Amino acid sequence: KQEVTQIPAALSVPEGENLVLNCSFTDSAIYNLQWFRQDPGKGLTSLLLIQSSQREQTSGRLNASLDKSSGRSTLYIAASQPGDSATYLCAVSPSSYNTDKLIFGTGTRLQVFP
Amino acid sequence: SAVISQKPSRDICQRGTSLTIQCQVDSQVTMMFWYRQQPGQSLTLIATANQGSEATYESGFVIDKFPISRPNLTFSTLTVSNMSPEDSSIYLCSTDRVYGYTFGSGTRLTVV
Repeated sequence: KQEVTQIPAALSVPEGENLVLNCSFTDSAIYNLQWFRQDPGKGLTSLLLIQSSQREQTSGRLNASLDKSSGRSTLYIAASQPGDSATYLCAVSPSSYNTDKLIFGTGTRLQVFP
Repeated sequence: SAVISQKPSRDICQRGTSLTIQCQVDSQVTMMFWYRQQPGQSLTLIATANQGSEATYESGFVIDKFPISRPNLTFSTLTVSNMSPEDSSIYLCSTDRVYGYTFGSGTRLTVV
């Protein structure tokens, strides 16, 4: 059974710091891995999606890497801002007939203070 | 990506009653998914809903408790039946990867 874990569970940093959020999964047979941001009352927003054949994806100040063989992904946030405060979730799509279902990690609650 | 309108955004319900949550998508989507997020926890998939067929439920979730309808490619409902305080959670719907895994804004349910 696929299990997804995120470390740390919570993080509080001053504005401007570079951050690394970690995600690990127990079954390396995945179709893709995705990072989401969750804001209270606003559902989830997709940040980056990495296909199983890819090693990283970048969008603005965000960079996500994937090491499928070791079951790890990292989300790097450069020059953090208070607006980055949210819960960050990683999710994997199993490499099976239903590749659209997502298995979510436990989340990292990030607070960036001015 | 698609846009989903989910209703209601929140509700407080009495024990033993039922609540139906609606998701309207602005595009025709093959698969829709329903998730539950219990307090302080991550999202857990309840079921996959395809138009024209019965929903497929994940282990631990049953149709009698969480009946789902998918009358067309742009609409789905999830009913939480015979509610108990343990059903207090956020419920979210989403589209498939073709539409960017778009999520609804969620329904925060409190059962008293």
